[in-house]
Amino acid sequence: RKEVEQDPGPFNVPEGATVAFNCTYSNSASQSFFWYRQDCRKEPKLLMSVYSSGNEDGRFTAQLNRASQYISLLIRDSKLSDSATYLCVVIKAAGNKLTFGGGTRVLVKP
Amino acid sequence: ETGVTQSPTHLIKTRGQQVTLRCSSQSGHNTVSWYQQALGQGPQFIFQYYREEENGRGNFPPRFSGLQFPNYSSELNVNALELDDSALYLCASRPGLAAQETQYFGPGTRLLVL
Repeated sequence: RKEVEQDPGPFNVPEGATVAFNCTYSNSASQSFFWYRQDCRKEPKLLMSVYSSGNEDGRFTAQLNRASQYISLLIRDSKLSDSATYLCVVIKAAGNKLTFGGGTRVLVKP
Repeated sequence: ETGVTQSPTHLIKTRGQQVTLRCSSQSGHNTVSWYQQALGQGPQFIFQYYREEENGRGNFPPRFSGLQFPNYSSELNVNALELDDSALYLCASRPGLAAQETQYFGPGTRLLVL
């Protein structure tokens, strides 16, 4: 089983719609969680950190469920520019490396 | 931009050759990590350097090696290249080892092994 798993998609989303997807992690000792965004042929860029209480940044909402060991990302009012691959990232308590999921591809269409 | 630069941007090599990839970290960042991203997959951790010492290594064979210099720039060396080494190689820097600190990625080097 992979340490961090994501549905690869693609999620085809009409412009203006809401899309949500999850990421599961296997190590219960994981300490920090993030969502990164990666555009085609570009480097990953931090989208947002994920806090235990959940957090929101504009149209993006991230949630953490430690009991079920998953994090989620919700995008409201999707824009064409939201088309990208969204990478879930987990950092274990004992180490400092980023463990990435395989990414979820989102395609927002007019 | 993140201030992290990598060179070269693209590279073509043949099986068995050796390659050196370079990364200049953002000013003030003493920690550099290297990742390999195969097509359609998420980045995989290769290793990390903190103040010129290797500080963590992923599941990669010894033919993947690295260095960090006093100015905190870094190199990734791969010997005896294999076809499966074709990937995007990313480096990321951050100010220290704290887990919560954001890592800033460079644009990557695309390596093609023929």
